[in-house]
Amino acid sequence: KAGVTQTPRYLIKTRGQQVTLSCSPISGHRSVSWYQQTPGQGLQFLFEYFSETQRNKGNFPGRFSGRQFSNSRSEMNVSTLELGDSALYLCASSGTGGSSYEQYFGPGTRLTVT
Amino acid sequence: AQSVTQPDIHITVSEGASLELRCNYSYGATPYLFWYVQSPGQGLQLLLKYFSGDTLVQGIKGFEAEFKRSQSSFNLRKPSVHWSDAAEYFCAVGERGGGADGLTFGKGTHLIIQP
Repeated sequence: KAGVTQTPRYLIKTRGQQVTLSCSPISGHRSVSWYQQTPGQGLQFLFEYFSETQRNKGNFPGRFSGRQFSNSRSEMNVSTLELGDSALYLCASSGTGGSSYEQYFGPGTRLTVT
Repeated sequence: AQSVTQPDIHITVSEGASLELRCNYSYGATPYLFWYVQSPGQGLQLLLKYFSGDTLVQGIKGFEAEFKRSQSSFNLRKPSVHWSDAAEYFCAVGERGGGADGLTFGKGTHLIIQP
């Protein structure tokens, strides 16, 4: 089975711009979660989508949003980028109980904001 | 809120020696417990998980972990490390019944393997 894929792998953006990241889960998985990883804060949960609905949300500002399509693919959008948004963004999919169960992670998208 | 503590930021082990990485969690009940490994520039790979039952769980790459309820710990062990085990290791917990916070991760332990 193919793993979780994320595109693009690397992005460089300027402050104030917006960005969209994409994630394709493992075939058959309906839950997709997003995490932000930074050296200072570690891994932090952004949100989870299940059957095209946001089911859980972490403590991030409204500039961070997402959506999920009928084929379970998910996108994450960050508007009005700030320098502090530079991070590795990881997508994870789960086949059963969602974001608190075992997660299978993609390779991540490295976002650099200048 | 649940929390995970990995007390060791860095650990250096000689190749062929045994390894133990510590993980303690704070949670009202027994959560789901996980260990993940991350190589530089890569995503996280699931090493093993504990949901219930036998408190000693086996994972991939020769790793095992033991759940100790009385100590709120879930330590990761390997009897003999290989140079390829050098990576960042994360302990994580998930709330039983489905929580709103996804997985909560520790800060990670950076494993260095000496030849």
